[in-house]
Amino acid sequence: QVQLVQSGAEVKKPGASVKVSCKAAGYTFTNYYIHWVRQAPGQGLEWMGMINTNDGITSYAQKFQGRFTVTRDTSTTTVYMEMYSLKSEDTAVYYCARPDSDSDDFWSGSYSAAFDYWGQGTLVTVSS
Amino acid sequence: SYVLTQPPSVSVAPGQTARIPCGGNKIGSKRVHWYKQKPGQAPVLVVNDDSDRPSGIPERLSVSNSGNTATLTISGVEAGDEADYYCQVWDFSSDHPGVFGGGTKLTVL
Repeated sequence: QVQLVQSGAEVKKPGASVKVSCKAAGYTFTNYYIHWVRQAPGQGLEWMGMINTNDGITSYAQKFQGRFTVTRDTSTTTVYMEMYSLKSEDTAVYYCARPDSDSDDFWSGSYSAAFDYWGQGTLVTVSS
Repeated sequence: SYVLTQPPSVSVAPGQTARIPCGGNKIGSKRVHWYKQKPGQAPVLVVNDDSDRPSGIPERLSVSNSGNTATLTISGVEAGDEADYYCQVWDFSSDHPGVFGGGTKLTVL
């Protein structure tokens, strides 16, 4: 069965970096993008960006450009997200999510996939 | 950037019908997905692409989408339906293409 298993909780100081992993299993890894979504305490969901696991091409929300990087390792079917220059406002649960389509092209301008599988979430706490 | 507006809360008695609206400019022209999230858990897709329900999702959940409002309707509400519900679309006219509504807390009285 499809599984996305994320790394454990992290506590970081302001200005530090954090790297969270998302290991995929149960499907052909390179057939599906992986997206990242975060949720601050008591708040809603926020889309951050995504990676094409086949060629490594990424797309990020403008808000996170320059401070957020997504990479993948096809040999271990793992996607990584790294955030830099952390602020207290980055305290959140970070989720990886897989879309429900392996043929919908994100760069077509008509992408409409839903997220049908989610990781369990990784709490990142930024505090001095 | 594109904005989706949901009421913070909706309350309904068991057995009644809950309607959760999601407002957005010309949302009727978009595919809207709905997620259910219980405290401490990851979101779960309950309806995608306007009307498709993943396996295991009951037929009590249905959606409509027209004009500037999409609506998730839950018939015969049960205690297990109590959760936060989020709508989601894609809008590539902005620099933040993945868009979620602010979420609606469904309370079963």
